[in-house]
Amino acid sequence: KNEVEQSPQNLTAQEGEFITINCSYSVGISALHWLQQHPGGGIVSLFMLSSGKKKHGRLIATINIQEKHSSLHITASHPRDSAVYICAVSYPDSNYQLIWGAGTKLIIKP
Amino acid sequence: NAGVTQTPKFRVLKTGQSMTLLCAQDMNHEYMYWYRQDPGMGLRLIHYSVGEGTTAKGEVPDGYNVSRLKKQNFLLGLESAAPSQTSVYFCASSDGTRNQPQHFGDGTRLSIL
Repeated sequence: KNEVEQSPQNLTAQEGEFITINCSYSVGISALHWLQQHPGGGIVSLFMLSSGKKKHGRLIATINIQEKHSSLHITASHPRDSAVYICAVSYPDSNYQLIWGAGTKLIIKP
Repeated sequence: NAGVTQTPKFRVLKTGQSMTLLCAQDMNHEYMYWYRQDPGMGLRLIHYSVGEGTTAKGEVPDGYNVSRLKKQNFLLGLESAAPSQTSVYFCASSDGTRNQPQHFGDGTRLSIL
């Protein structure tokens, strides 16, 4: 069964801390997505990657294909980063369906 | 820049009532999806469409029907609402090429009493 697991489930940190959220999957993928969901619901795509590393502002996403693992890092965290971060993967035999992790709820305290 | 628009944003139904959720996208995307999101669980795919006039079942299709009569619109219907269908429903769209990000609507919060 293709599964996506995220850790931690919940994370509370102080403003300015370096944040790491992890995502593991069970079989080979064609791409991994990181998305952000703010309180109030809207879901926004942050990154899509199939190898290496991508950076956008204070957000960095990495993926290790051999270890079937990805991390999302937030540098100099800020209360506005408080959100649910969701990992999802697509598999080679299905280019339109994603398998979703349950999400990591991040709270950054001022 | 509308992107993906869902209507309504909130709705309360009584058990047994029917309703239709509308999703509209203005990005000329081929693929459209309906998900439900429940506490503590990842998004679950209800139905999806890979083009105008086509629909297919996702992970949790029971109790729902869909139609894609126009490329820009994807409708989700509940024929006889049940309390188990209380959830937040998200519509998303993507273009037809491999590994493209999905663009989401703001969600519809549906409560079935």
